Amino acid sequence: GAGVSQTPSNKVTEKGKYVELRCDPISGHTALYWYRQSLGQGPEFLIYFQGTGAADDSGLPNDRFFAVRPEGSVSTLKIQRTERGDSAVYLCASGVAGNTGELFFGEGSRLTVL
Amino acid sequence: GESVGLHLPTLSVQEGDNSIINCAYSNSASDYFIWYKQESGKGPQFIIDIRSNMDKRQGQRVTVLLNKTVKHLSLQIAATQPGDSAVYFCAEKRITPLVFGKGTRLSVIA
Repeated sequence: GAGVSQTPSNKVTEKGKYVELRCDPISGHTALYWYRQSLGQGPEFLIYFQGTGAADDSGLPNDRFFAVRPEGSVSTLKIQRTERGDSAVYLCASGVAGNTGELFFGEGSRLTVL
Repeated sequence: GESVGLHLPTLSVQEGDNSIINCAYSNSASDYFIWYKQESGKGPQFIIDIRSNMDKRQGQRVTVLLNKTVKHLSLQIAATQPGDSAVYFCAEKRITPLVFGKGTRLSVIA
């Protein structure tokens, strides 16, 4: 596709449930980032992949959050035992390896935990 | 501590006027700064960037100024248009990842 694609665009779930959010980056982009954005706030870093490996996962808030990128393209963010505080827009961005800063963001997946 | 923040949360500008959005940073080791624009319901969109060895960079209708002495970054938008209405974020980069500020909402008054 032409841009970063994220699915689902909206997800409503109940507290305690498991959720998966998918990101399909721009073809050829080896760097992939997950950010979380709460209402009225700037995006907050979660995890960064370079290829298949997580180069930096220091932003994951706790062990309920996990992300994979098994083939170096599509990535899945997994949230276990969701809590109401997990409600936010989860943004995915991709970039060219070695590029210093221009990230291309998807439109995000809005997660609501009831 | 390290932070990337903004002086004003909201800014209203008359259509056709110039807009100036400010950002302060606290880490003198930061070597790269980026401005992003985020429209409602969309992801952030890259506007312009600047490296720490520069003090000014111009794009189409936008200019970024960097003052390392006072750790200040600004985005200037010339002849502001209704389509410029959005939230603007500055972001700071040392290695990875980008660290975003809270954002300034720009409202353009027709």
